[in-house]
Amino acid sequence: NAGVTQTPKFRILKIGQSMTLQCAQDMNHNYMYWYRQDPGMGLKLIYYSVGAGITDKGEVPNGYNVSRSTTEDFPLRLELAAPSQTSVYFCASSYSRPGPPRGTGELFFGEGSRLTVL
Amino acid sequence: DQQVKQNSPSLSVQEGRISILNCDYTNSMFDYFLWYKKYPAEGPTFLISISSIKDKNEDGRFTVFLNKSAKHLSLHIVPSQPGDSAVYFCAASEDSSASKIIFGSGTRLSIRP
Repeated sequence: NAGVTQTPKFRILKIGQSMTLQCAQDMNHNYMYWYRQDPGMGLKLIYYSVGAGITDKGEVPNGYNVSRSTTEDFPLRLELAAPSQTSVYFCASSYSRPGPPRGTGELFFGEGSRLTVL
Repeated sequence: DQQVKQNSPSLSVQEGRISILNCDYTNSMFDYFLWYKKYPAEGPTFLISISSIKDKNEDGRFTVFLNKSAKHLSLHIVPSQPGDSAVYFCAASEDSSASKIIFGSGTRLSIRP
């Protein structure tokens, strides 16, 4: 059982380039999320999805786009990369909305994708 | 505006003693709280959670305490072990925005021998 798989693990972009961070989960989870973590900061929610075809903005969506065409995949698209997007990006999934009972709402995270924009 | 705050960036505790990690929040609508643990080069992993209808939840060496009136929660680890050295994130969610979990900035816990 692979869990949440993110690719690539590392990437260096030039300013203005575009790229897609891939995220796939094999746990049949309905909810998927993209977070970014800047040094010394917590995780900030970029976008999330409650099911295929449904996405919504989080705290810091500017400069990013997402799609959710299948339950398994939730790619994050960066258009016109900027140095401010240098960060570690984490994809996560959960079976249901956050909340009790235990075993349903906990987020499962991928290992992260470290992106540097120069 | 930080809704979830972890004011101690780091904490050092001797092996075998108690580790206490603190978290404060500002949004009174938060009704579910979680702690995540993160090792370097890995994603965070779920540790323990508590609903706002409780004031304590225990799981082995880990206990989370919630003080709603003070908008404060804490994670106690007893006894602390070397493998507990990691960054711990406090997180919270509210029922009206049930799909969003807001994370704190994390506390780096170091267990010294």
